[in-house]
Amino acid sequence: EAQVTQNPRYLITVTGKKLTVTCSQNMNHEYMSWYRQDPGLGLRQIYYSMNVEVTDKGDVPEGYKVSRKEKRNFPLILESPSPNQTSLYFCASSLSLAGYNEQFFGPGTRLTVL
Amino acid sequence: GENVEQHPSTLSVQEGDSAVIKCTYSDSASNYFPWYKQELGKRPQLIIDIRSNVGEKKDQRIAVTLNKTAKHFSLHITETQPEDSAVYFCAAQGGSNYKLTFGKGTLLTVNP
Repeated sequence: EAQVTQNPRYLITVTGKKLTVTCSQNMNHEYMSWYRQDPGLGLRQIYYSMNVEVTDKGDVPEGYKVSRKEKRNFPLILESPSPNQTSLYFCASSLSLAGYNEQFFGPGTRLTVL
Repeated sequence: GENVEQHPSTLSVQEGDSAVIKCTYSDSASNYFPWYKQELGKRPQLIIDIRSNVGEKKDQRIAVTLNKTAKHFSLHITETQPEDSAVYFCAAQGGSNYKLTFGKGTLLTVNP
């Protein structure tokens, strides 16, 4: 089944404890992206990747890191999480960005930073 | 960069009525406009999209219109049903970096 998966789905952590949220797609998509969703603010892009080893900042990159060593995986890293990073996170992928293709979203990760 | 404004933020209709959600965008280079539906606790999913060379597109009870001159596009849902209740996001994509920018969303409630 073609899909985007994320793990974990729920995470409660404490300030300063490094964490990684994994994202994987099995559709051979070139483009992958991370969003955070907060009430009243919609979907805001954190980082995106046009292809392997190519990443760039989105609208709200502060406090986050990403890597794209393989085409299928795009992990989101929070080196020192803070309470303002409490949010619902979505990973998404599409065939490519230039072709204006549908973005497929993962199931979401609800993160709480205490 | 691109800025997408979406209105209204909440919309409540009676079952069977029509619902209209409007979006405006700022970058005249944008030329792809998708709409995503997010049911409670679920992920956003594409429901319809339109490209800049088309003024209107319809898929059963949903339709999208685009006015490139005025830089606005709208989602129309006819004969609404309770299962249409969700958050709807518009988005605009284009420009030199093909960036996709989302609106803040509209919570649609269809009352039985």
